[in-house]
Amino acid sequence: DTAVSQTPKYLVTQMGNDKSIKCEQNLGHDTMYWYKQDSKKFLKIMFSYNNKELIINETVPNRFSPKSPDKAHLNLHINSLELGDSAVYFCASSQAPAGFGGLFFGEGSRLTVL
Amino acid sequence: DQQVKQNSPSLSVQEGRISILNCDYTNSMFDYFLWYKKYPAEGPTFLISISSIKDKNEDGRFTVFLNKSAKHLSLHIVPSQPGDSAVYFCAAREGGSQGNLIFGKGTKLSVKP
Repeated sequence: DTAVSQTPKYLVTQMGNDKSIKCEQNLGHDTMYWYKQDSKKFLKIMFSYNNKELIINETVPNRFSPKSPDKAHLNLHINSLELGDSAVYFCASSQAPAGFGGLFFGEGSRLTVL
Repeated sequence: DQQVKQNSPSLSVQEGRISILNCDYTNSMFDYFLWYKKYPAEGPTFLISISSIKDKNEDGRFTVFLNKSAKHLSLHIVPSQPGDSAVYFCAAREGGSQGNLIFGKGTKLSVKP
């Protein structure tokens, strides 16, 4: 009974393609996030949604677009994939926007762009 | 420019001994600090946190110490167990922010039986 689930876990695709990663949380949290862990192992926030509204949008190319159909889901769409997009993408959720009590992370989605 | 630094990429400790993981930060506006633990092929899991108004928080075998003047925090695990072997991430939250956590690069802890 996974609290934060992401699909797919692995994704291998060609440059220029468009892909999506889905995320769902069953914790009843109001806030969801997308983090990216690059080859240097840094975990960096990309987006944060609170009750379906965007509250954090870090400097991320426009090719990345989050979509939150409801507060339990936050999907990540990536257009025109580039080699540098290869990374592990983590979805997370928290009870409040401030992240008190910590974030609950999904298992990660490893994206490889060839 | 790293605001949260974990200068030791790895640490090896004997089972039963103490593990000390260190973290330094540069932003004096950070008001909340967290430690996460990550096993391979899994997402990070929240371990323990500390508010900037405290200097110590303890939870079982895990204790986090905060030295604000030195902008330094550490995670102590005692006694260390083989199941503690994982990557540990230090994270910090800027006060008044919308919840953006700044993570360090992580320290890989290996606890040998």
